[in-house]
Amino acid sequence: EAQVTQNPRYLITVTGKKLTVTCSQNMNHEYMSWYRQDPGLGLRQIYYSMNVEVTDKGDVPEGYKVSRKEKRNFPLILESPSPNQTSLYFCASTSSAGTGGNIQYFGAGTRLSVL
Amino acid sequence: AQSVTQPDIHITVSEGASLELRCNYSYGATPYLFWYVQSPGQGLQLLLKYFSGDTLVQGIKGFEAEFKRSQSSFNLRKPSVHWSDAAEYFCAVGLMIKAAGNKLTFGGGTRVLVKP
Repeated sequence: EAQVTQNPRYLITVTGKKLTVTCSQNMNHEYMSWYRQDPGLGLRQIYYSMNVEVTDKGDVPEGYKVSRKEKRNFPLILESPSPNQTSLYFCASTSSAGTGGNIQYFGAGTRLSVL
Repeated sequence: AQSVTQPDIHITVSEGASLELRCNYSYGATPYLFWYVQSPGQGLQLLLKYFSGDTLVQGIKGFEAEFKRSQSSFNLRKPSVHWSDAAEYFCAVGLMIKAAGNKLTFGGGTRVLVKP
């Protein structure tokens, strides 16, 4: 079954304590990305990766890092979380072929609260 | 830059009544258009997509959407709403940007409440 798996699903942490949210896909997709969802703003792209070792900033990258050492994994790293990073996070993946109409598959989401 | 607008933040509809959710986009060409649904506590599920051809597209769960180029709109409809349709709905534009690959730009979402 095609899946994008995020862990953990829920996370409460304190300001400044480094954390990592993992994302893994089993579809051999080249393109992966992270979004954050905030009320009234929809989903906004944080970072994306077009393939292994190729990553770049999305629309709201401040305070986040990513890495893409393997094709299937794309972890999101918050080196020093702050309360304004309290949000719902989604990982997504898709094939990089095509012209923007590829269906993106989303994980179930990670709800993060930074106190 | 491209943008997607969903003018209605909340919509309340009675079970069995019809539903229409509005979506307008701003982009220089016809983009790829999607509707996703997010049920409470769940991830995003694709309802339907428009790439080209017939401007009325059918999706899952009895939803359909109509692309109107002249209005830059892609409104979602369902003739008869079920209580399980209570969820948040997102319209999205898909673009292939040469340097940035596949990217989805989302609207702000419309939360649908269903009254018994």
